[in-house]
Amino acid sequence: GDSVTQMEGPVTLSEEAFLTINCTYTATGYPSLFWYVQYPGEGLQLLLKATKADDKGSNKGFEATYRKETTSFHLEKGSVQVSDSAVYFCALSDQETSGSRLTFGEGTQLTVNP
Amino acid sequence: DTGVSQDPRHKITKRGQNVTFRCDPISEHNRLYWYRQTLGQGPEFLTYFQNEAQLEKSRLLSDRFSAERPKGSFSTLEIQRTEQGDSAMYLCASRYTENTEAFFGQGTRLTVV
Repeated sequence: GDSVTQMEGPVTLSEEAFLTINCTYTATGYPSLFWYVQYPGEGLQLLLKATKADDKGSNKGFEATYRKETTSFHLEKGSVQVSDSAVYFCALSDQETSGSRLTFGEGTQLTVNP
Repeated sequence: DTGVSQDPRHKITKRGQNVTFRCDPISEHNRLYWYRQTLGQGPEFLTYFQNEAQLEKSRLLSDRFSAERPKGSFSTLEIQRTEQGDSAMYLCASRYTENTEAFFGQGTRLTVV
């Protein structure tokens, strides 16, 4: 079945540092890939997405490229801010599965210190 | 459009009691999903509705769990004879079609004591 694996956390960075959160996936079909963010006390919010190989999703300075050859969708940001502190979830949605439900990774807690 | 809303936000119940959660999706979103999230883990799929029809249930959804979506609008998730292992955050999401963005509610945090 489908699965998503994220790098183990938590991750602690200083403000303006470079961020990479690794994500790899396994899917039977041709999935769409997503990064969701969960701020403390809030629901999941879509951060960015990519629907086919070599697509790059970007939003709020974050980027991720859909790499089919390595089955990866790593999240990057060149300069993190304290306000980026949150839990980040990589996810996939496979149209081969009923309803295109989302399959999530375990999440990576990011803390950015001033 | 106020987004996906869930009620209650928090529920503490004694083991063996029944609980019911409600989800109001974004209007005109015909797809509605329930997920469960335990501490330190990502959300896990429970069940999915297209309009009023429940089209898929995860094996995580034991016989003690039941979900409904009457008239294809709001949805309820009921857990009967709660167990401590049911303690989790229960998330609801809705989307217009399977190719559009899924919007999540803030969740209902259940604690079984």
